[in-house]
Amino acid sequence: AQSVAQPEDQVNVAEGNPLTVKCTYSVSGNPYLFWYVQYPNRGLQFLLKYITGDNLVKGSYGFEAEFNKSQTSFHLKKPSALVSDSALYFCAVRVWAAGNKLTFGGGTRVLVKP
Amino acid sequence: NAGVTQTPKFQVLKTGQSMTLQCAQDMNHNSMYWYRQDPGMGLRLIYYSASEGTTDKGEVPNGYNVSRLNKREFSLRLESAAPSQTSVYFCASSPLGTDNYGYTFGSGTRLTVV
Repeated sequence: AQSVAQPEDQVNVAEGNPLTVKCTYSVSGNPYLFWYVQYPNRGLQFLLKYITGDNLVKGSYGFEAEFNKSQTSFHLKKPSALVSDSALYFCAVRVWAAGNKLTFGGGTRVLVKP
Repeated sequence: NAGVTQTPKFQVLKTGQSMTLQCAQDMNHNSMYWYRQDPGMGLRLIYYSASEGTTDKGEVPNGYNVSRLNKREFSLRLESAAPSQTSVYFCASSPLGTDNYGYTFGSGTRLTVV
């Protein structure tokens, strides 16, 4: 069975500082990896994905993520955080052989302070 | 361009009451999903429909039923609501095969069972 772990419930960062949200996964087969963001009282919005190719993927709003197969990780990063980045972030994994179902991590709340 | 529409947005039920959560998508997606979101547990898959005419259980199907009415609509029914079903419910859809954005989510239904 596939699983995703987000080891930090909350990440606090000062505006302008680098932001990292951690994600590790466990799958049998090649993973498709996703990051989503959820703002208060809203549904999840797609940020970026890794399917194949370059291990560093760039997404919306200046976010990027690095796929590390040996460490089974897919950490989300932003070089300079904004107060508006404060939200709930979810990592998700899909294995093609298992159909199109996404398995989500527990989520990490990001708080960016001015 | 509505995307995924869920109704209602909020609902309060008494224990034992029944209700149906509605979901419709206008993106011609083949697959649709129902997730529940609980604090610290991320999103857990209740049921999904890979394509019109098929439905399958997800991780937490007990106490729920679904109907894939047509390609656009996928409803979730609680036959006898329990307090443990207090949650935020999200519907999502995706195309089959290669997809650029993973899932598209609705804005959610906040359900309280008293």
